[in-house]
Amino acid sequence: EAGVAQSPRYKIIEKRQSVAFWCNPISGHATLYWYQQILGQGPKLLIQFQNNGVVDDSQLPKDRFSAERLKGVDSTLKIQPAKLEDSAVYLCASSLGGAGPGELFFGEGSRLTVL
Amino acid sequence: LAKTTQPISMDSYEGQEVNITCSHNNIATNDYITWYQQFPSQGPRFIIQGYKTKVTNEVASLFIPADRKSSTLSLPRVSLSDTAVYYCLVGESNAGNMLTFGGGTRLMVKP
Repeated sequence: EAGVAQSPRYKIIEKRQSVAFWCNPISGHATLYWYQQILGQGPKLLIQFQNNGVVDDSQLPKDRFSAERLKGVDSTLKIQPAKLEDSAVYLCASSLGGAGPGELFFGEGSRLTVL
Repeated sequence: LAKTTQPISMDSYEGQEVNITCSHNNIATNDYITWYQQFPSQGPRFIIQGYKTKVTNEVASLFIPADRKSSTLSLPRVSLSDTAVYYCLVGESNAGNMLTFGGGTRLMVKP
């Protein structure tokens, strides 16, 4: 079974530029998550989708970050304009969703360096 | 959201059993306890999940006391490849709830 795919794996940009990350979740997974992981810290949830609807984006810096999951499958996370403090690994995860417990399946992440 | 507290780091030697305890005093009735493992340059990987008492799989055991205010991940006979960061999470994965990662526990296994 294919895992969660993310691209690009690495991206270097200058501050005030824009960047976009793509995620393809595991087939059939209704719930998709974007996390930000700064070096030395645990992953921080940015946004959670259930199919193509946003469940919670309370921790997404909406002045510069945006995310969409138009057809309930792939998702894109965009940062515009980027700041130095956005340097981090952006992790996408997916799960079956539904009630009760669940396991998150993570991609390898997209490492962003903002100069 | 239930907040978790774990030791920042632990050291162990190959072949030893390692127990990592997580405190979650305000766990909710519907919350499950989940542990993830993360190696450098990789996304976290699910290890084990439980609701109460004891859960065991091929890689670990999870002990949860009756009050569910804490849990202990037990790794039997660790090897060098178990060196990683271990995260304890409390919550549900269904819509409306978030799974919040804390700082995790950095386990260093020495030869």
